[in-house]
Amino acid sequence: QVQVVESGGGVVQPGRSLRLSCAASGFTFRSHGMHWVRQAPGKGLEWVAVISNDGSKNYYADSVKGRFTISRDNSKNTLYVQMNSLRVEDTAVYYCAKDRSGLGIDAFDIWGQGTMVTVSS
Amino acid sequence: AIWMTQSPSLLSASTGDRVTISCRMSEGISNYLAWYQQKPGKAPELLIYAASTLQSGVPSRFSGSGSGTDFTLTISRLQSEDFATYYCQQYYSFPRTFGQGTKVEIK
Repeated sequence: QVQVVESGGGVVQPGRSLRLSCAASGFTFRSHGMHWVRQAPGKGLEWVAVISNDGSKNYYADSVKGRFTISRDNSKNTLYVQMNSLRVEDTAVYYCAKDRSGLGIDAFDIWGQGTMVTVSS
Repeated sequence: AIWMTQSPSLLSASTGDRVTISCRMSEGISNYLAWYQQKPGKAPELLIYAASTLQSGVPSRFSGSGSGTDFTLTISRLQSEDFATYYCQQYYSFPRTFGQGTKVEIK
């Protein structure tokens, strides 16, 4: 069964850090670009970051650039996002999504169930 | 960034209706457009990519059309399981952007 499962969410104070993980199974993880997408409570979808299949390329939304770092470990079939200097406006459900292509330049065909991150004092 | 205007934001319809959702881009994106369906408390699911290609397993009552700046998602005969929120998304350039969403509710 093709799936991705996020973990690592929780409640964190503004300015602190958190790392999310996304475990992939049922497909050749090293062959696909991977994304993080978030959704604030009651709001729409916001793309966060992408990483290519071999980890050599990545891009970020302006809202997280310089604070978030996307990475992957193909030996563990796992995607990560390190989130530093968290802000209240980073509060959202964070989804991991598989790209149809290796470079991360196609649509997102598999999504995880999401993990909630709440930034609050 | 490429901006998208999705309309309407809310659509009231009955089972069996034909419904159409539009997505307009701030600049041309060829056919690099996807449509997603999201039900409450669930992750989005891919319906259509490359503007008009149906994702495997998606019912044929869903169809997509358009190219350049104007795109449309059509549900030919609305079923009870289709009441959800729909998003368009461009993957022509970074940052990836989504439309604001269209909630399809029971009339």
